[in-house]
Amino acid sequence: AQSVAQPEDQVNVAEGNPLTVKCTYSVSGNPYLFWYVQYPNRGLQFLLKYITGDNLVKGSYGFEAEFNKSQTSFHLKKPSALVSDSALYFCACRDDKIIFGKGTRLHILP
Amino acid sequence: DAGITQSPRYKITETGRQVTLMCHQTWSHSYMFWYRQDLGHGLRLIYYSAAADITDKGEVPDGYVVSRSKTENFPLTLESATRSQTSVYFCASSDPQGILDEQYFGPGTRLTVT
Repeated sequence: AQSVAQPEDQVNVAEGNPLTVKCTYSVSGNPYLFWYVQYPNRGLQFLLKYITGDNLVKGSYGFEAEFNKSQTSFHLKKPSALVSDSALYFCACRDDKIIFGKGTRLHILP
Repeated sequence: DAGITQSPRYKITETGRQVTLMCHQTWSHSYMFWYRQDLGHGLRLIYYSAAADITDKGEVPDGYVVSRSKTENFPLTLESATRSQTSVYFCASSDPQGILDEQYFGPGTRLTVT
């Protein structure tokens, strides 16, 4: 069965440090993977996606994600965190339907 | 260009009442979606629509009804609201590539069933 896992409910990172938000997936076919961000009292905003091609995908606000087929992972990364990156991040996977992970709350500490 | 809007933004209703949440998009996107967001569950798909008059169930459709007579509108109806339907509801739309492509989300409707 299709599934998405975000193993960390919360991630704390000091401003200026690199950040990683983890995501693993399970699908029967080729994975279509997405990252979304949600700021307080707002809807989700698209960050980036992997459909095919390069394993390193670049997206909005300086974020990137690395697709790793052998580890079935699609971790979100940023080289230098900003306080304004603090938000709720969702990984999503599309097989026959879209499935979202439970979300990871990212706290960037000043 | 308003994009995608939801109304009402906040709603309190009583158990057993019917309530309809509205969603309107101005992009003429063919696909539209309804999700609910709950602590510990993330985002769960309720229903989606590939085009006017075409709808399909998502992960948690029980207790909900949708219709799509016009491309731009996708209302969600709770026929007899229950406390377990207290949640934040998000509508989304996507471009002609549909669920392979990114979705654009509305601001959400916070529904409380007492």
